[in-house]
Amino acid sequence: GAGVSQSPSNKVTEKGKDVELRCDPISGHTALYWYRQRLGQGLEFLIYFQGNSAPDKSGLPSDRFSAERTGESVSTLTIQRTQQEDSAVYLCASTELLAASYEQYFGPGTRLTVT
Amino acid sequence: ILNVEQSPQSLHVQEGDSTNFTCSFPSSNFYALHWYRWETAKSPEALFVMTLNGDEKKKGRISATLNTKEGYSYLYIKGSQPEDSATYLCAFISGSARQLTFGSGTQLTVLP
Repeated sequence: GAGVSQSPSNKVTEKGKDVELRCDPISGHTALYWYRQRLGQGLEFLIYFQGNSAPDKSGLPSDRFSAERTGESVSTLTIQRTQQEDSAVYLCASTELLAASYEQYFGPGTRLTVT
Repeated sequence: ILNVEQSPQSLHVQEGDSTNFTCSFPSSNFYALHWYRWETAKSPEALFVMTLNGDEKKKGRISATLNTKEGYSYLYIKGSQPEDSATYLCAFISGSARQLTFGSGTQLTVLP
């Protein structure tokens, strides 16, 4: 079946502009995660959606970052007033919670460059 | 903040060599430990999901062990091939949070 998809694959934006990144999880996966990897660093957790529960936003680095998820489908990550330190690869992953393993199925990522 | 560390940060080996790297994680409140392989220009893919102390998993030439009491996992690659070149990530899941904390990865380069 179809895997996790993300769009756009690449985004170059000017400092101060807003950007919106999209993630389509695997159908039926109730949990969705956003991560980012900045150059030379590891994967950094941003936010976690689980079904209809309140999202775990503990990883969002500032109030310029927000994310929404419509039911158990598409999620968008919005970064307002982008800064150069926001440049990173943003990865989305989904998982089937009933499997209890929390194995992550990752999308191809969005490479964001803030100039 | 949970501390998940991987070593070494990078590694170059010759084709045919065997190698191993380490993931260390908190020894309390353990739920699971994952290993992922992340090849350049691709998405990370799960190698192993490990949940029990003493677990040993194997997939082809790659295997992993888990010690939850002392908080470490080893990943072994036997007879490395150029196609094994990738970043290997471990991720710790605590019993309470159910979110994954990733290590910074070990970047493996296998030279032909």
